[in-house]
Amino acid sequence: RKEVEQDPGPFNVPEGATVAFNCTYSNSASQSFFWYRQDCRKEPKLLMSVYSSGNEDGRFTAQLNKASQYVSLPIRDSQPSDSATYLCVLGTSYGKLTFGQGTILTVHP
Amino acid sequence: DAMVIQNPRYQVTQFGKPVTLSCSQTLNHNVMYWYQQKSSQAPKLLFHYYDKDFNNEADTPDNFQSRRPNTSFCFLDIRSPGLGDAAMYLCATSRIQGIEAFFGQGTRLTVV
Repeated sequence: RKEVEQDPGPFNVPEGATVAFNCTYSNSASQSFFWYRQDCRKEPKLLMSVYSSGNEDGRFTAQLNKASQYVSLPIRDSQPSDSATYLCVLGTSYGKLTFGQGTILTVHP
Repeated sequence: DAMVIQNPRYQVTQFGKPVTLSCSQTLNHNVMYWYQQKSSQAPKLLFHYYDKDFNNEADTPDNFQSRRPNTSFCFLDIRSPGLGDAAMYLCATSRIQGIEAFFGQGTRLTVV
């Protein structure tokens, strides 16, 4: 089983839709959780850190369920500018940051 | 202003010819990572440094080496590049282990 598994996507949604990305992990030692956004041929950029049960930043909400080893990222009112690959990332105290496969989102005007 | 800088942005090297990629940071972060990302795949961790402590991933080929002469700089050496080593190489830093990392723009390596 992969350490981090994400919905394969791709997601193609109309502007204004709500879309949610899901991520499950197998390493119970994972202590920190992040969502990164990666545009085509660019570097990953931190979108949100998730340190507790969840947090919200505008249209983005990061949710964490440690008991079920599950992380999700709902996006409300999606915009064409949200089109990108979204990467779920897990961190451990011994330094490793492990990336999920990523989910491609395309938002159509 | 860029805080994690990778040079060069694009590198073309010949099959078997050693190549060095560089990364510098102005964040004074303790941790530096090197990732390899191939097309349509997730970034794969090759190794990371916590200060001067080097941590190699078990499945990183011996062909890949790294040096960190000081806090600000880290190098990735590929001793004998093969066609399968063509990828984007990403350097990232974080203040301590296991927290959010900040990436440079990457070096896209082509092997001919």
